[in-house]
Amino acid sequence: EDQVTQSPEALRLQEGESSSLNCSYTVSGLRGLFWYRQDPGKGPEFLFTLYSAGEEKEKERLKATLTKKESFLHITAPKPEDSATYLCAGLSGSARQLTFGSGTQLTVLP
Amino acid sequence: ETGVTQTPRHLVMGMTNKKSLKCEQHLGHNAMYWYKQSAKKPLELMFVYSLEERVENNSVPSRFSPECPNSSHLFLHLHTLQPEDSALYLCASSQDGQGNEQFFGPGTRLTVL
Repeated sequence: EDQVTQSPEALRLQEGESSSLNCSYTVSGLRGLFWYRQDPGKGPEFLFTLYSAGEEKEKERLKATLTKKESFLHITAPKPEDSATYLCAGLSGSARQLTFGSGTQLTVLP
Repeated sequence: ETGVTQTPRHLVMGMTNKKSLKCEQHLGHNAMYWYKQSAKKPLELMFVYSLEERVENNSVPSRFSPECPNSSHLFLHLHTLQPEDSALYLCASSQDGQGNEQFFGPGTRLTVL
């Protein structure tokens, strides 16, 4: 059974304090690892797709990386507007559906 | 309108009511999805439609009934729900039905009394 685990569940950072969020996965024949951002009361917003180990993608203060067992979302010098819940999801080679983790709730304090 | 829209945004219903959730995508995609999001739990896929044909049904109770009249519109018909069905219901769309990049609507917050 495919499984995606995110840690920590919640993270509080001071503005400018860089950190990383973890997404561990056991997804058979991974075809893609997705990161989403979700603000309260809104639907998830697509951020990145990673397809193979060693791949990296960046967007503003966010950088996503992928290994054979996990993905990291690095946040460099975060700002309060980066506060949100970050979700990762894996797409297996056999299924046509995403398996989501429970998310990491990030709070950046000014 | 752009992206994926959902109506209503909030819905309160009794256990004996019948209501429908509506989703519309303006992205020219061929696949649409219904998800359930409960507090502190991962998103749960409920239904997938690809080119208006239902391709996945993840053992969802029959009190939830989807309808996809065309590739731009998706409905979720609700009847005789239970309080544990209270959740955020999210609609998403993607270019194909293979699960790739999905774009989500804002969701309908459902409360069952």
